[in-house]
Amino acid sequence: EVQLVESGGVLVQPGGSLRLSCAASGFTFSSYAMNWVRQAPGKGLQWASYISTSGSTIYYADSVKGRFTISRDNAKNSLYLQMNSLRAEDTAVYYCARKERTGNKLGAFDIWGQGTMVTVSS
Amino acid sequence: QLVLTQSPSASASLGASVKLTCTLSSGHSSYAIAWHQQQPEKGPRYLMKLNSDGSHSKGDGIPDRFSGSSSGAERYLTISSLQSEDEADYYCQTWGTGMNWVFGGGTKLTVL
Repeated sequence: EVQLVESGGVLVQPGGSLRLSCAASGFTFSSYAMNWVRQAPGKGLQWASYISTSGSTIYYADSVKGRFTISRDNAKNSLYLQMNSLRAEDTAVYYCARKERTGNKLGAFDIWGQGTMVTVSS
Repeated sequence: QLVLTQSPSASASLGASVKLTCTLSSGHSSYAIAWHQQQPEKGPRYLMKLNSDGSHSKGDGIPDRFSGSSSGAERYLTISSLQSEDEADYYCQTWGTGMNWVFGGGTKLTVL
């Protein structure tokens, strides 16, 4: 079964740091670009970051640029999101999502995880 | 600027059909989109990729009740023979050459 399972979400104070993980199974992880998408409570989906298959190409949304770092370990079939300088507005469920295989960097997200909740509050 | 616009809510009766709309911003009418379903308290689920010519490819296991179509800058998701489990939020998604991925605000579908 193709599956993505996120973990690492907790309650953290403003200014703190956190590392999220996403474990992939059921497909050749190294062949797919991956993304992090977040959803604030009661709100819609917001793309946060992209990483290519090898990790050599990375993009961030302006809202997280300079504070968040995406990475991957293809040997461990895992995706990560290092979150620093956290703010209240970073409070959200964080989903990892697989980008469909296309001939370029663009395309739909065709597999999603169940999400992990990050709460930033004092 | 690449923007997707969706109506906040829609409703239809059990067993009926409903057509949800996602509108691409000016200058982006040729873009493909994807439709995703998010049931309460669950992660999103990919439904299909929909091209500007109306051709679409569905995700694994997506029932035939779900179909897509296009007209100009509008992209549609039609759900026929509505079931209670179709009550969910539906999001459209697209992607731009500026290396960004954009979601519509979502439509909350109520099955009456």
